[in-house]
Amino acid sequence: GAGVSQSPRYKVAKRGQDVALRCDPISGHVSLFWYQQALGQGPEFLTYFQNEAQLDKSGLPSDRFFAERPEGSVSTLKIQRTQQEDSAVYLCASSLGSSGGLSYNEQFFGPGTRLTVL
Amino acid sequence: QKEVEQNSGPLSVPEGAIASLNCTYSDRGSQSFFWYRQYSGKSPELIMSIYSNGDKEDGRFTAQLNKASQYVSLLIRDSQPSDSATYLCAVHRDTGRRALTFGSGTRLQVQP
Repeated sequence: GAGVSQSPRYKVAKRGQDVALRCDPISGHVSLFWYQQALGQGPEFLTYFQNEAQLDKSGLPSDRFFAERPEGSVSTLKIQRTQQEDSAVYLCASSLGSSGGLSYNEQFFGPGTRLTVL
Repeated sequence: QKEVEQNSGPLSVPEGAIASLNCTYSDRGSQSFFWYRQYSGKSPELIMSIYSNGDKEDGRFTAQLNKASQYVSLLIRDSQPSDSATYLCAVHRDTGRRALTFGSGTRLQVQP
């Protein structure tokens, strides 16, 4: 079946602009995660959804970052008033969820959105 | 101390050799352990998961877990140039926080 998809793949924004990044998870996956990856580093957690509920947003770096998943499927990560330090690859991952044993926690990543803020 | 530690490398091995990648973690509540492969400019791809102490083999890959020592490793047998990538170790608590915690990755270079 289809994997996780993300759009756009590349986004260039001027400092101060708002951006919206979209994630379409694997069909049937209950859990959805957003990560931020800087060059040469592992992905860093931003936020987590179980269905439409945002259960953990402890990784969001500031109140300029906002995420939603209103119908429990597609998710959008919005960054307001972008800053240069927001430049990174934003990765979305999904998993079946935690109700079926440990293997349900396996997370599958989309191709990412590379954001460059000028 | 970082929660998940990996040697950044590069680890260079000749084609056909065994590549050994290591990872240590600090959270004793970790229950699930994953290895992801990431090619340059691409996203992480799940290659192995391991949940209990011991070895788990899948083709040329073997994951090893020792919870007492808080250590997980990945062996790649008969290394191929196509295995050249960054390998990310990730751990998961299963309770509480649901996110994966990643190491910074080890860059593997397989020399033809």
